[in-house]
Amino acid sequence: DVKVTQSSRYLVKRTGEKVFLECVQDMDHENMFWYRQDPGLGLRLIYFSYDVKMKEKGDIPEGYSVSREKKERFSLILESASTNQTSMYLCASSFPGGGDDSPLHFGNGTRLTVT
Amino acid sequence: GNSVTQMEGPVTLSEEAFLTINCTYTATGYPSLFWYVQYPGEGLQLLLKATKADDKGSNKGFEATYRKETTSFHLEKGSVQVSDSAVYFCVRRGYQGGKLIFGQGTELSVKP
Repeated sequence: DVKVTQSSRYLVKRTGEKVFLECVQDMDHENMFWYRQDPGLGLRLIYFSYDVKMKEKGDIPEGYSVSREKKERFSLILESASTNQTSMYLCASSFPGGGDDSPLHFGNGTRLTVT
Repeated sequence: GNSVTQMEGPVTLSEEAFLTINCTYTATGYPSLFWYVQYPGEGLQLLLKATKADDKGSNKGFEATYRKETTSFHLEKGSVQVSDSAVYFCVRRGYQGGKLIFGQGTELSVKP
């Protein structure tokens, strides 16, 4: 079974802190994604990556950056956390091309609270 | 624009009731459509999919038919169980490979 592991289940950080959210997948997937999930808004794509050292902005990249130094690991960085970044963060991965036979596999999420 | 709209929740049903969760999409062309499910405390997982018009996706007793005339992909199940309690997301394929566009999610609560 594909496993997507997010390093923390819950995080509490202070405004202005630099925050790292880590995600690791074990299926040699090329594609990796970071979403945030908010009530009434569904999932919104923050950043994605199709290969090592490659990244592309999603729909809401402001206030975030990412790092993909190794194929299996995709990190989301909040440069200076703000209270409006309090949310559930979901990492996902899939095979290359994102064809319809390669669904996204999600981690269990990290619930981040910024105080 | 390119979006997905699904009925608002929460939806509360008794066990063995019939379930419909409505979903409509806007898009240029005919994108692949999916339903993802998120059980409590877990990440999302693919429930079913349909890749072209008139396709019917099915899994675990759930069904959804790709209707291009009404641009809809409603999720149905004839008899829900308590274990079906979850949040259901209607999703369409975006135009960049691998990118998905999610509806806002519909929470389903099934009571015994």
